[in-house]
Parts: sequence; structure tokens; C-alpha cells
Amino acid sequence: DQQVKQNSPSLSVQEGRISILNCDYTNSMFDYFLWYKKYPAEGPTFLISISSIKDKNEDGRFTVFLNKSAKHLSLHIVPSQPGDSAVYFCAASGRNAGGTSYGKLTFGQGTILTVHP
Amino acid sequence: GAGVSQTPSNKVTEKGKYVELRCDPISGHTALYWYRQSLGQGPEFLIYFQGTGAADDSGLPNDRFFAVRPEGSVSTLKIQRTERGDSAVYLCASSFAPPREQFFGPGTRLTVL
Repeated sequence: DQQVKQNSPSLSVQEGRISILNCDYTNSMFDYFLWYKKYPAEGPTFLISISSIKDKNEDGRFTVFLNKSAKHLSLHIVPSQPGDSAVYFCAASGRNAGGTSYGKLTFGQGTILTVHP
Repeated sequence: GAGVSQTPSNKVTEKGKYVELRCDPISGHTALYWYRQSLGQGPEFLIYFQGTGAADDSGLPNDRFFAVRPEGSVSTLKIQRTERGDSAVYLCASSFAPPREQFFGPGTRLTVL
């Protein structure tokens, strides 16, 4: 049961244009969402997060949008740079039945972003 | 400051052997997590410590896997009677009390021959 899905295995974008990476989730208990970037032979690097009480969070070139009714989030990178080429993972965590927030992250399968000069 | 470190970076072992993987979290982080990642997949949760105790070990695949964090800092993931299917990159992360962003180490690539 894949609770977090990234349906696009890859995305190719021209330098300077916008990159939009998408993620869908099924678990309504998820209330905290994150995006990570991963280069080969390195661990994932945290990019940006958003709590379910917000619908947008921005940090420099990166903006995350959350649509709770659609159970969908997206990461926008503007402008895209060749150094952004990496695998991008979305992840989610949520509260258990007792209302206690827990730290387990559930990851999507990743999207390979390639930014061409 | 120093990030999360993991040793060894690579481990090759034979089927049936015992292995230990070590994680040094970021100083001051109370929570520590273990994940494993297979090729083409996202990281898969194994276990999460808050302080010295395992707050959630629901991701450990079977009783061959065990993890400890005796002093609330360094953690060791232990795998008994390794199988070829255990081959993966084992990732460690740490954070302040969740929900917070988790910071990952570079991983240990385990290969079971």
C-alpha cells in the first residue's frame, strides 16, 4: 500500500524555467510534509516542509503547495538551475490514533529532475 | 557543525553473517531514525528512537533486525543471519523532537553475497 506516490519517475526542464514536482498521498492522518533532494552516493538533503495548517510555504527558489482536499502537494523551483538536477522525494508524517505526533516519515518513490543548460 | 555520520560507508558480508552499522547523530538532536533504501525506491522506515527508547519499531522487517541507542546519542543497527535481500543502503537521520525536519547521514551500503 503506497501511501505517498510520485507518479512521474522523471522530469526534464530547461535552465531558467520552472520545475514542478508532484506528490499525492492517501493517509488523511498525515499532517506534516517535506521535500528532500538526493544526489548519488549521498543521503537525502532537506529542502522545505509544510504543516497541514498552511497551504503554501516559500524559501528562496523553492515553494511547496499543499491541497488538503485533493491530498496533493507540489514543489515549484523557480528559476531552475543545472545544479538542481537530482532525485526529489516527498515525504509525510502524521499523528497516530492517540493524537501523538510521530516521527516516522513515509516517502514517495522519487522523481529524477534533469535541468538542461 | 558536524552532520550525521555513519560507519562504515560500505560493508560487504556473506550470507548468514552478523553485521553492525553505526550512526552518530547531530549533537543535541533527541530523535534518531533508521531507514533503508533499495535501488529505485524511496527510503523505507525501520525504527525511531526518542532519547534511549524505541518510540516506534514497526518498520523492522523481522526479528533478525535490532537497534539500540543506550546513551541517547550514538545508535547501532544490528542484523543477524544476513540474507541477500538485506542488501540496501541503510540511512540514519536525526532531528529535534518531531514533527521536525530530519537530517540524513550519507548511508551505509550493505552488500550480502
